[in-house]
Amino acid sequence: DTEVTQTPKHLVMGMTNKKSLKCEQHMGHRAMYWYKQKAKKPPELMFVYSYEKLSINESVPSRFSPECPNSSLLNLHLHALQPEDSALYLCASSPWHRDSGNTIYFGEGSWLTVV
Amino acid sequence: AQKITQTQPGMFVQEKEAVTLDCTYDTSDPSYGLFWYKQPSSGEMIFLIYQGSYDQQNATEGRYSLNFQKARKSANLVISASQLGDSAMYFCAMRENTGNQFYFGTGTSLTVIP
Repeated sequence: DTEVTQTPKHLVMGMTNKKSLKCEQHMGHRAMYWYKQKAKKPPELMFVYSYEKLSINESVPSRFSPECPNSSLLNLHLHALQPEDSALYLCASSPWHRDSGNTIYFGEGSWLTVV
Repeated sequence: AQKITQTQPGMFVQEKEAVTLDCTYDTSDPSYGLFWYKQPSSGEMIFLIYQGSYDQQNATEGRYSLNFQKARKSANLVISASQLGDSAMYFCAMRENTGNQFYFGTGTSLTVIP
């Protein structure tokens, strides 16, 4: 079983809605990630938090707003999304941000559909 | 240039047989890590196996082994005694010591036939 927990598993939202995806890990990891994955494609990095500070933003549109309230929690706030934002959103964590031997552990993902 | 290349979009294997999924990589960093993940249709990315660039031995984890050929820059995943539950998408990934990025290949869809 994964030690990275994501909620909700499935989310359907309208283009004017505001919703949030939540992620929690209790492995003591200090780096947390959001990835977006479209069908039959590899995951694409969106954000990296390192020691609760935003370390990387891969030029993600502002309708996606990440938040890291503490070292165990990571949120992704969604507002005014477009249908093309429909995808699987994967949260992940690793012991720290750098170092080539640093394994990233993923959650089960949140399936988002924008209607 | 692609950092990670997986040339097999789809593979089929008979149950109980072994299968090799190919992965080649490109880096000039002497220190790097290579990873394989399994993604069933449910969506979860499951970490399978890790190989460090300085590791002398090929990594093994149960039925998974990594055939690491450093000079060829390849890191193929070998699954022995395939099971129906092995049917999934498999991603090869690399992390360099100098960079922030975790590079993924395009994936290989494995189907195990009964």
